[in-house]
Amino acid sequence: QSALTQPRSVSGSPGQSVTISCTGTSSDVGGYNYVSWYQHHPGKAPKLMIYDVTKRPSGVPDRFSGSKSGNTASLTISGLQAEDEADYYCCSYAGSYTWVFGGGTKLTVL
Amino acid sequence: QVQLQESGPGLVKPSETLSLTCTVSGGSLNSYYWSWIRQPPGKGLEWIGYIYYTGSTNYNPSLKSRVTISVDTSKNQFSLKLSSMTAADTAVYYCARHASGYYFEYWGQGTLVTVSS
Repeated sequence: QSALTQPRSVSGSPGQSVTISCTGTSSDVGGYNYVSWYQHHPGKAPKLMIYDVTKRPSGVPDRFSGSKSGNTASLTISGLQAEDEADYYCCSYAGSYTWVFGGGTKLTVL
Repeated sequence: QVQLQESGPGLVKPSETLSLTCTVSGGSLNSYYWSWIRQPPGKGLEWIGYIYYTGSTNYNPSLKSRVTISVDTSKNQFSLKLSSMTAADTAVYYCARHASGYYFEYWGQGTLVTVSS
C-alpha cells in the first residue's frame, strides 16, 4: 500500500483555475469510485471537499469539482479565492476496508 | 454538529506505547466507523485503522502488529494504542468519523506526539 502521488505545490492568481492531480494504481484510485479530497489549514481539522470522486458535501462551493480518469483523480478549483490557500489531500479506498492518502499539495493563491 | 477531540501525551519515549483517546460530542458513536489517521512532520496523511461501534476493527497492514483500537460507547470515546514507538512515529494524530460511505466526514484538530528520550 503506497501513498498516492500528488504534486508538492500548485499556485494560481485570484479568479483563475487550478487542478491538483492524484495518481494511484488499479488497486486504489483506478479500482474504485471512492476518491475523496480534504482541505487542510494548518492547526485546524481537515475538511471534506469532495467524496465519491465527484460529489460535493453540502456547504462546499461549486467552485470545487472532482474527476477521475484511469488511475488518476483530479481536484479542480475554479475562481480561486484567497481563502482557498491551504493544503489539499486526496484519499482513496484501497480494498479490504483500508484507505490510502496522498502526500498533499500546497495551494498558493498569488 | 459532531465534534471530535484527541487527547493524550505529547511526548513518548522510544520503545514505549502511545495511548490516545478521541472524545466525540454532538453525536453518538453508534452506527458509525471511527478511524485514526496520522501525519508525520512534512509528510502526507497515513490511515492507521478503524473501529466500528460494535468493536470490530481493521488496521493498516504496515502498522497492524503494533496497533490496537478500542471503543467505550458509555463514554462516547474510542482509543488508540501504538506500541514500540520510534522517532518515525512522531506525527500529528487525528481521529475521524467515517460517513456512510468510503470517506471521512468529521475530523478532530489533531494532537502532536513526539517520540524522544
